[in-house]
Amino acid sequence: QQQVKQSPQSLIVQKGGISIINCAYENTAFDYFPWYQQFPGKGPALLIAIRPDVSEKKEGRFTISFNKSAKQFSLHIMDSQPGDSATYFCAAKAHLSGSARQLTFGSGTQLTVLP
Amino acid sequence: ETGVTQTPRHLVMGMTNKKSLKCEQHLGHNAMYWYKQSAKKPLELMFVYNFKEQTENNSVPSRFSPECPNSSHLFLHLHTLQPEDSALYLCASSQGGSQETQYFGPGTRLLVL
Repeated sequence: QQQVKQSPQSLIVQKGGISIINCAYENTAFDYFPWYQQFPGKGPALLIAIRPDVSEKKEGRFTISFNKSAKQFSLHIMDSQPGDSATYFCAAKAHLSGSARQLTFGSGTQLTVLP
Repeated sequence: ETGVTQTPRHLVMGMTNKKSLKCEQHLGHNAMYWYKQSAKKPLELMFVYNFKEQTENNSVPSRFSPECPNSSHLFLHLHTLQPEDSALYLCASSQGGSQETQYFGPGTRLLVL
């Protein structure tokens, strides 16, 4: 129940295209859903995050779409650029006590944007 | 130095060696974390320290021993590791023990021979 399932494992997109990464969760106590971006040789860095009281959040070219009833959320990267090539992790956490209050990460998506 | 730093960046050790990983955060945070990152797997939370007290231990084998002498420093002592322990070990910090935004260091790439 603590798992966050992420797909696809890898994604190749042409420059200017839309990159879409999907995540699904089971624990209905999760109430915070961040996306992290990791470049080679670097640690993950927070990219954008959403709470379940909204269905969409946009920051520049990055948008999170959230479907509470389906327990799914996704990251959309518009006008994808070669500089966006990185590994993207979704995550989820709950505000409750216990292990669910810590971030549970997906397995990551390696995005390659071709020039 | 800013953010979260980790040393060494790369480490090769034999199964009988003892080594330590060091993490330092310059963000004034109260909580620090150790994660294990293996290829194509989710980040695995190992330990959480909040105000120097260990608050989470995710069933990590005793060959990994954390130490948190103050809120800015975190160590991971390693001994008699196994080849399957080879991975990227990431340190992170946050304002509180269950705060959402965690700031990660660059990691230590560990190879156990």
